[in-house]
Amino acid sequence: GENVEQHPSTLSVQEGDSAVIKCTYSDSASNYFPWYKQELGKRPQLIIDIRSNVGEKKDQRIAVTLNKTAKHFSLHITETQPEDSAVYFCAASNEIQGAQKLVFGQGTRLTINP
Amino acid sequence: NAGVMQNPRHLVRRRGQEARLRCSPMKGHSHVYWYRQLPEEGLKFMVYLQKENIIDESGMPKERFSAEFPKEGPSILRIQQVVRGDSAAYFCASSPNRGEKLFFGSGTQLSVL
Repeated sequence: GENVEQHPSTLSVQEGDSAVIKCTYSDSASNYFPWYKQELGKRPQLIIDIRSNVGEKKDQRIAVTLNKTAKHFSLHITETQPEDSAVYFCAASNEIQGAQKLVFGQGTRLTINP
Repeated sequence: NAGVMQNPRHLVRRRGQEARLRCSPMKGHSHVYWYRQLPEEGLKFMVYLQKENIIDESGMPKERFSAEFPKEGPSILRIQQVVRGDSAAYFCASSPNRGEKLFFGSGTQLSVL
């Protein structure tokens, strides 16, 4: 089955700097890769996703890149702000077998230092 | 649209008791998923249901756990004879169709004493 590895487990950056979180996956059939943001005690919220027919997707300060050959994808947050502090999870799934059977990474705790 | 609603928000049970967790999907969503999250870990898939049908329960423990999504009413995740290891946050998510994005509820924090 699919296995998703996420790095780093913790990340601390200065406000205004960029943050990058990386994930690798094992199943070459995976074709959907969402990123979720979870604040303490709250629900995971979808912030951006990418499908395997696209190499990069951007939404304001957030971007995701996908390298299918290497089986890794990354989240990029630019001009970080204190409200970006949260735990971020990547996930992967195979839409043919069940798009919502997401396999999650272990999470990255991002701290933005003012 | 009120979003995915889960209740209770917190549930405390003693070992051996039963826990019933409820999830009402977003309006218009007929697909429901349950995930479990242990502290400092990612979410683990448990089960995927459509109205009156279990589609994929490959992540459900073989014993004590069951799920349903009746024609009327919320989806229920039921844990019988709870043990301390069942303590976790249980999240429900819904989508309008298979292949659509998932929207998560606020979760139920289960604590087993």
